[in-house]
Amino acid sequence: EADIYQTPRYLVIGTGKKITLECSQTMGHDKMYWYQQDPGMELHLIHYSYGVNSTEKGDLSSESTVSRIRTEHFPLTLESARPSHTSQYLCASSDVTGTDYGYTFGSGTRLTVV
Amino acid sequence: KNQVEQSPQSLIILEGKNCTLQCNYTVSPFSNLRWYKQDTGRGPVSLTIMTFSENTKSNGRYTATLDADTKQSSLHITASQLSDSASYICVVSDRGSTLGRLYFGRGTQLTVWP
Repeated sequence: EADIYQTPRYLVIGTGKKITLECSQTMGHDKMYWYQQDPGMELHLIHYSYGVNSTEKGDLSSESTVSRIRTEHFPLTLESARPSHTSQYLCASSDVTGTDYGYTFGSGTRLTVV
Repeated sequence: KNQVEQSPQSLIILEGKNCTLQCNYTVSPFSNLRWYKQDTGRGPVSLTIMTFSENTKSNGRYTATLDADTKQSSLHITASQLSDSASYICVVSDRGSTLGRLYFGRGTQLTVWP
């Protein structure tokens, strides 16, 4: 049973709208991540956080922003959605080591911008 | 450049048959290699994780092998079931960063027919 939750599961929204994708985990993990995945392609890291008030950009440039005010919550925001933002967004979390243990993914949010 | 290459890109097998998926990587330094199963529209779920010293690990009908010398891994699925239809992703972690960087393959799309 997944202990990391993403909402909404699906979102269709018009160009120019502001959206926030929610991600919450109940495992007490310090590290959290956002990945972007297009069909048939690999996951690309767009944001990560080591802990509260810590956020960094990942490898793939993204116009989205993130915040980490609480350990369990790592929302992603797009100020002005565009069709190029259409993709699947996956949230993940891991414990302190990150490399060997407890790397868990949420079920994802499928975003479509029309 | 650190990379993870998977083959085949897609595979169709009949229910009850066995199959083997391949993963070659160039990630260095090496920490561990994971295989994930990703159902359509869902987040990846971990199947196995192997460190440098491990050369085989099983999880039910899934058996992963690792040859750290040749930088190759395989995932063998025994007596396939319809529910095995999914994308199988090979993920390699390096040891060189505090982030515990993950490198993702594009996945092998497995379809099991009745």
